[in-house]
Amino acid sequence: QKEVEQNSGPLSVPEGAIASLNCTYSDRVSQSFFWYRQYSGKSPELIMSIYSNGDKEDGRFTAQLNKASQYVSLLIRDSQPSDSATYLCASLSAALTFGKGTMLLVSP
Amino acid sequence: EAGVAQSPRYKIIEKRQSVAFWCNPISGHATLYWYQQILGQGPKLLIQFQNNGVVDDSQLPKDRFSAERLKGVDSTLKIQPAKLEDSAVYLCASESQGASGANVLTFGAGSRLTVL
Repeated sequence: QKEVEQNSGPLSVPEGAIASLNCTYSDRVSQSFFWYRQYSGKSPELIMSIYSNGDKEDGRFTAQLNKASQYVSLLIRDSQPSDSATYLCASLSAALTFGKGTMLLVSP
Repeated sequence: EAGVAQSPRYKIIEKRQSVAFWCNPISGHATLYWYQQILGQGPKLLIQFQNNGVVDDSQLPKDRFSAERLKGVDSTLKIQPAKLEDSAVYLCASESQGASGANVLTFGAGSRLTVL
């Protein structure tokens, strides 16, 4: 069974700090990985995708992928209270498989 | 570009009743997904359509759930009879290729089902 594992949190960080979210996946066939943000009561929205080993930066967000370790992470720099949400990691083989999500709380 | 439309947004039914959800994907998106998201969990894939054909329905509880996409556009998801554990948000998503060639899923607002 393909699985994506995440710590459910909550992860609490002060405003301005770096938030680090982690994810492991079991399906070695997966080639594409995604981070979705989900505000309470809302549907998931894509914030980052990564396909190659290494880092990918987009504004305050950096995704990191290590296929040998089957590990994906998301760093959020200069965290803002508006970043408070659940972050879903997903891997793609035939279809997207989601983790349970990590709740991030950014305090002012 | 209009988003993925879903209805109804909320539905409350009693166990053993039936319910149907409707989804209209973004125009031109050939691939459509139905996901079930139980409170506190990540979305779980129920069924994937490519045009009007089923690509993957391995996690669809076929004794009570059914889905169709007859003309390759709109889709309906039906539950009959509903159980208490079916209480969840049912998310429809359609897929496009992003600028980098990667597949990008866009989700609808979801249909929240409460089974009493």
